[in-house]
Amino acid sequence: IAGITQAPTSQILAAGRRMTLRCTQDMRHNAMYWYRQDLGLGLRLIHYSNTAGTTGKGEVPDGYSVSRANTDDFPLTLASAVPSQTSVYFCASSAELAGYNEQFFGPGTRLTVL
Amino acid sequence: GQNIDQPTEMTATEGAIVQINCTYQTSGFNGLFWYQQHAGEAPTFLSYNVLDGLEEKGRFSSFLSRSKGYSYLLLKELQMKDSASYLCAFTDSNYQLIWGAGTKLIIKP
Repeated sequence: IAGITQAPTSQILAAGRRMTLRCTQDMRHNAMYWYRQDLGLGLRLIHYSNTAGTTGKGEVPDGYSVSRANTDDFPLTLASAVPSQTSVYFCASSAELAGYNEQFFGPGTRLTVL
Repeated sequence: GQNIDQPTEMTATEGAIVQINCTYQTSGFNGLFWYQQHAGEAPTFLSYNVLDGLEEKGRFSSFLSRSKGYSYLLLKELQMKDSASYLCAFTDSNYQLIWGAGTKLIIKP
């Protein structure tokens, strides 16, 4: 593993199904983030974590949950998917939460909810 | 409230210079980032400004005026590979990034 990885690369999901997007980093970064990116809109923060064991809500957290059991992994779960959650999801990490730290992004997961 | 604005699309010629502007409004400011994002790929870091002035890094430079809530990214000697979206984002008082929608830059030969 080099940097930050996400799985799956893409997924088509029926509405109402549960889905977990996986994210793993090997940079020993303390802070991790989940964003969604929709056409015509900027990246929007869903949830973040500033260290293992702690998480926080971002701008658009409804319908999503996260956990941070260890430093490397930060999965995002959609408990019951809805079509408005169709988006490209990016996981990112930075050394610390403080805003001057460069964020490194995973390759993204393209999710379609039908 | 907070907001950030940048042009949706710009076109420039290979070898030329282009300036991409970004304006923002916020009550708490802790720096401004520029990222590059090629189509279908993840954003990658270009620059960070926290003090007023120009930061130069090779063909790319970034400028910040905190009093005016204004930044620009200057790309010199444009190459075809510079065709991408350029995202500006500022860090708010909670140290979270607030992102613009991105400027799609099209380079023509």
